[in-house]
Amino acid sequence: SYELTQPPSVSVSPGQTATITCSGDALSRQYAYWYQQKPGQAPVLVIYKDNERPSGIPERFAGSGSGTTVTLTISGVQAEDEADYYCQSADSTSTYHVVFGGGTMLTVL
Amino acid sequence: QVTLKESGPVLVKPTETLTLTCTVSGFSLSNARLGVSWIRQPPGKALEWLAHIFSNDDKSYNTSLKTRLTISQDASKSQVVLSMTNVDPEDTATYFCARIPNIAIVPYYFDYWGPGTLVTVSS
Repeated sequence: SYELTQPPSVSVSPGQTATITCSGDALSRQYAYWYQQKPGQAPVLVIYKDNERPSGIPERFAGSGSGTTVTLTISGVQAEDEADYYCQSADSTSTYHVVFGGGTMLTVL
Repeated sequence: QVTLKESGPVLVKPTETLTLTCTVSGFSLSNARLGVSWIRQPPGKALEWLAHIFSNDDKSYNTSLKTRLTISQDASKSQVVLSMTNVDPEDTATYFCARIPNIAIVPYYFDYWGPGTLVTVSS
């Protein structure tokens, strides 16, 4: 089991909005981060500090949060967005210990 | 251009010690603001953080693996090394190193990743 809980899979049609949630007690007091990972590749940071986008990440990626749940929203989903998405924060024992969610496979129908 | 590259054995026998090297370029391991982490991913499974290190030699380890891990760095060679003792087939995974961009922002996060190296533990 993981300290950060994500749905195993989310499916969406092209052009629609995908919503991926991540739940965990730590999220009420710690920043959340999101990574996109395509098969055979390293993860790519898409959201940091809850809702900031790194340079080069499309505006359709947005992060938000409320209480112990954070959300990655991808608006106007494109075929190239099909990937695994992982949330990340700190574990319950230390702010300096990193923990990842179990990952969500986004399928673009 | 920031890059990280992992290197090490492809195959390791159970009970042996695994040693992995992360060679970085485009930034200095002497930069007090930056750090490097090791993260692994068993086939078909989620990411798991292992350890990190900063230029001041501040280190931290995954609690469940702490007794088996050692992280170190050689700034002159731009390398970060991770050792894992007494490996088991469950340690079979792709091992990534990644850069921490800002020691002042916690939880730490990772802005650049290496491509990863697959390590198989088998007799």
